[in-house]
Amino acid sequence: AQSVTQLDSQVPVFEEAPVELRCNYSSSVSVYLFWYVQYPNQGLQLLLKYLSGSTLVKGINGFEAEFNKSQTSFHLRKPSVHISDTAEYFCALGGSNYKLTFGKGTLLTVNP
Amino acid sequence: GAGVSQSPSNKVTEKGKDVELRCDPISGHTALYWYRQSLGQGLEFLIYFQGNSAPDKSGLPSDRFSAERTGGSVSTLTIQRTQQEDSAVYLCASSPPLGGHTIYFGEGSWLTVV
Repeated sequence: AQSVTQLDSQVPVFEEAPVELRCNYSSSVSVYLFWYVQYPNQGLQLLLKYLSGSTLVKGINGFEAEFNKSQTSFHLRKPSVHISDTAEYFCALGGSNYKLTFGKGTLLTVNP
Repeated sequence: GAGVSQSPSNKVTEKGKDVELRCDPISGHTALYWYRQSLGQGLEFLIYFQGNSAPDKSGLPSDRFSAERTGGSVSTLTIQRTQQEDSAVYLCASSPPLGGHTIYFGEGSWLTVV
């Protein structure tokens, strides 16, 4: 069975500070990992994905994530956040089939 | 259209009524998914359509839920005899052939059962 754990349900930070949103997964098969962002009252937008190759993945809006197989993690980072990054972030795991398993989300709140 | 289109964007219905939610996937996308997003529950997979294959309905929570996809394009999710616990955001998504597991979501249909 596959599972995704997002360790923090809420992360408050100040503008221009760095941020890391944590994601750990469990899977017995090859994994594909994704981060999605959901702005208030909107759908999910793909931020970045890891399918294979380089373990450091760069996405939109200055975000990046690193796939760590030994730690079964895929943490999302940004060196300097903006007010506009306030949103809910979801880590998702895909495996040998087409379904994505989502974490419960992390609400990132960027304060001035 | 450019993205996955869902309608209605908001629906308030009385308990016991039936509702239909519509999804128009991105043109050319062969796969279509329905997910449900509830407070505190995260995103739950409901159903998956791929081309002309039989759909994977394994995520539908009860027999009050059904979905169809006509002509390999537009999909309708139907909830019969709605209950208050059906209140959620219903998200549709689609992905292209050989999409590398990447799926694109619509903005959702917010359903409130009163």
